[in-house]
Amino acid sequence: DTEVTQTPKHLVMGMTNKKSLKCEQHMGHRAMYWYKQKAKKPPELMFVYSYEKLSINESVPSRFSPECPNSSLLNLHLHALQPEDSALYLCASSQDVGRLGTGELFFGEGSRLTVL
Amino acid sequence: DAKTTQPPSMDCAEGRAANLPCNHSTISGNEYVYWYRQIHSQGPQYIIHGLKNNETNEMASLIITEDRKSSTLILPHATLRDTAVYYCIVREGGNYQLIWGAGTKLIIKP
Repeated sequence: DTEVTQTPKHLVMGMTNKKSLKCEQHMGHRAMYWYKQKAKKPPELMFVYSYEKLSINESVPSRFSPECPNSSLLNLHLHALQPEDSALYLCASSQDVGRLGTGELFFGEGSRLTVL
Repeated sequence: DAKTTQPPSMDCAEGRAANLPCNHSTISGNEYVYWYRQIHSQGPQYIIHGLKNNETNEMASLIITEDRKSSTLILPHATLRDTAVYYCIVREGGNYQLIWGAGTKLIIKP
C-alpha cells in the first residue's frame, strides 16, 4: 500500500464553521506533512510531524490546528477561516524527516477547500 | 526563496523525448536535486532525485552538470499522460525542507 488518503476531497465552509481535514497512510512512515497550494503556485509547507510530534510550524495562523493522533493519521482542524484560505490542502508522508530513506514524499490527492 | 529556475512552459510531441531544464546555480554541496510532477487535480508525484551523478529509473533520467549548477530531466518517450507541471526542487541532505521552484507546465501534443 503506497497511498496517502485524504478526506474529504471537497469542502465548502463558512467563516464561522469548524471543520477538519483528515489524512491516513499505512506505509509505516514516521513523518507526515501538511501543505497548502494556491492555484498555479507550488505547494507551501505548513506543518511537519515527526514521530507523532509537531516538529515544524511554518508560522501558520492559529485558525489552522494540526493533530497527529497516531503514526498513521494526521488531521487539520479548521476554525474561523478567511476566504483567502481557500486552496488545495495536501497531505504527504515520508519514511523519515532526515537522513533515512530516499527523502521521497508521498502525497495524497488533496482536499479542495472553499471558504465563503 | 526558490533556489531553482525553470521555464514556465514547454511543448513536446508524443513519442519524442521531453527534456526539461532547471537552473540551481546557488546549490550547496549537500543539497540534492529532486523532481516531482503534478498532474491536474492530483497531488505531486515523485519522479527522481540525485546529488552528483546522473540517475535513471523507470520513469525518467536525471542529468546533472559537473558543476551541479543545472540539471535536465528527460522523459524518454513522452505520452499524453505525461502532461503535467514538473517541479525541480532542491533538498538539503538530512532535512525535510523541499525548496520548490515555480515549475514547468509540460504539454505533450499528439
